[in-house]
Amino acid sequence: SQQGEEDPQALSIQEGENATMNCSYKTSINNLQWYRQNSGRGLVHLILIRSNEREKHSGRLRVTLDTSKKSSSLLITASRAADTASYFCATDGGTGTASKLTFGTGTRLQVTL
Amino acid sequence: SQTIHQWPATLVQPVGSPLSLECTVEGTSNPNLYWYRQAAGRGLQLLFYSVGIGQISSEVPQNLSASRPQDRQFILSSKKLLLSDSGFYLCAWNRLALRGDTQYFGPGTRLTVL
Repeated sequence: SQQGEEDPQALSIQEGENATMNCSYKTSINNLQWYRQNSGRGLVHLILIRSNEREKHSGRLRVTLDTSKKSSSLLITASRAADTASYFCATDGGTGTASKLTFGTGTRLQVTL
Repeated sequence: SQTIHQWPATLVQPVGSPLSLECTVEGTSNPNLYWYRQAAGRGLQLLFYSVGIGQISSEVPQNLSASRPQDRQFILSSKKLLLSDSGFYLCAWNRLALRGDTQYFGPGTRLTVL
């Protein structure tokens, strides 16, 4: 079953604007990860935030995590046409040596010139 | 550097035919390996994972099976494909014993069952 639910399902913005995507989940997690997927391609890891972290930055990306609300957000600043892709959050609730990621349904981001 | 390969890239198979998808990882040893399936317009669903040779854990009951004959090789199989097996299959790896480590994905195999 899908634990994460991204919001919105689709987002269309102009180049230079900021894009914010939200993710909600249901059970306790070890960490939450954000991935990008270009159409028909594999997933590219963007950022991982652990359950004891509240905010993390990587270049133009900013991720927040609120474990009390079981939610996370991904902010892409100064968006570019190349940011057009689907973005997924994935929660890791594994208890063994392997991660067990549960993915959300994704947000389709369209950045226009 | 580590790389992950999947083949074939695309596959069209008739219902009832067998399936074998292969995933190999280079540049690392003792990886955790994972098979995911992505239905059209949806997120990924974890199918199988492996923490070592011959060790397979299944996450969902289904028509598929997985095997790990070598340390860096992960195979997804079916004896008889169903229409519902269509989808985009992704292999991933991360480092053993580092729970919570980033997973790195292969390019995927798009399977169409007709």
